[in-house]
Amino acid sequence: EAQVTQNPRYLITVTGKKLTVTCSQNMNHEYMSWYRQDPGLGLRQIYYSMNVEVTDKGDVPEGYKVSRKEKRNFPLILESPSPNQTSLYFCASSPYGQGSNQPQHFGDGTRLSIL
Amino acid sequence: AQKVTQAQTEISVVEKEDVTLDCVYETRDTTYYLFWYKQPPSGELVFLIRRNSFDEQNEISGRYSWNFQKSTSSFNFTITASQVVDSAVYFCALRASGGSYIPTFGRGTSLIVHP
Repeated sequence: EAQVTQNPRYLITVTGKKLTVTCSQNMNHEYMSWYRQDPGLGLRQIYYSMNVEVTDKGDVPEGYKVSRKEKRNFPLILESPSPNQTSLYFCASSPYGQGSNQPQHFGDGTRLSIL
Repeated sequence: AQKVTQAQTEISVVEKEDVTLDCVYETRDTTYYLFWYKQPPSGELVFLIRRNSFDEQNEISGRYSWNFQKSTSSFNFTITASQVVDSAVYFCALRASGGSYIPTFGRGTSLIVHP
């Protein structure tokens, strides 16, 4: 089954404690991205990757890091989380280039609370 | 730069009413793709429809229909005879070649259907 898998689904943690949210897709998609969703602000892109070892900042990259060492994985790293990073996070993937007309596949979301 | 505007933040209707969700986009590209996604209360993001810029035919799928008008840069979504299960946040998105096919999302419209 084609899917994007995010872990964990829920996390409550404290300010400053490094955390990683994993994202994995099994569709061999080139393009992967991370979004955060906040009330009234919709989906805002944090980082994206067009392929292995190719990443770039989205609209709200401050306080986040990503890596793309393998095509299937695109982890989101919060080195020193702060309360303003409390949000609902989504990972997404889709084909790139000739496949750009394809919709994105989204993970089920990770609800992150930073105390 | 590309932009997607969903001016309606929240719409509230009574079951069986028809409702239209507006989406206006901006892009300088002649080749682009438009999408609608649904986010039910359970939180996942579900792909609904894709349209490319060369196909202005309207589409109907059951109670859902989409009206794509290049002249007004709009891609509106109508639900006929709404049902409580239609209650969700709906997002319009754009991928255009000038934006390197990086998706741009609107802020979403929250639809509440009352029984």
